[in-house]
Amino acid sequence: AQKVTQAQTEISVVEKEDVTLDCVYETRDTTYYLFWYKQPPSGELVFLIRRNSFDEQNEISGRYSWNFQKSTSSFNFTITASQVVDSAVYFCALKASTGTASKLTFGTGTRLQVTL
Amino acid sequence: DSGVTQTPKHLITATGQRVTLRCSPRSGDLSVYWYQQSLDQGLQFLIQYYNGEERAKGNILERFSAQQFPDLHSELNLSSLELGDSALYFCASSAPGQGHNEQFFGPGTRLTVL
Repeated sequence: AQKVTQAQTEISVVEKEDVTLDCVYETRDTTYYLFWYKQPPSGELVFLIRRNSFDEQNEISGRYSWNFQKSTSSFNFTITASQVVDSAVYFCALKASTGTASKLTFGTGTRLQVTL
Repeated sequence: DSGVTQTPKHLITATGQRVTLRCSPRSGDLSVYWYQQSLDQGLQFLIQYYNGEERAKGNILERFSAQQFPDLHSELNLSSLELGDSALYFCASSAPGQGHNEQFFGPGTRLTVL
């Protein structure tokens, strides 16, 4: 069985602060894929990043960075110099490679509130 | 804009009724997925279709069914609706290939059962 845990239910920061959203996953598969999605107040789910289990390189995209550590089964997401527009619910998700089914298993999400 | 379209955006209906939610995937995508987002269950996978065939099933109730048509659009049918079916229903699509491509989500259909 697969599981994704986002222990932080809600985080509040002041604009320009850095914030890290934690994601811990469980899977028995040796090959798997991890994702982050953003759900702004408007409700849609926006894809942010995909990471393969065999690629442990960290990734940076503008103010966003992701830290993937297989040893701790974590895939954390850091926003540097947060902005009000970053306010949203962020979901971490996992997909195993077994079979041809491609369902995503989502965590419960972390609500990020960025205030002025 | 993800390129995935869903209609209607909002749906209000009564218990016991039946509704149909529609989804058009991104151009070129063969896989369509349905997810349900509710306050108590979070985001849950319902069902996946690939090029017209059912590929995977999640915790989809027997009262729910789906299909993918030759033009690749998909419909999710919900029948004998209960109050607990009130949720945001998302459709997603992904590019053909090895199955691990990212899924792009539509704007969702918010279903309210009164």
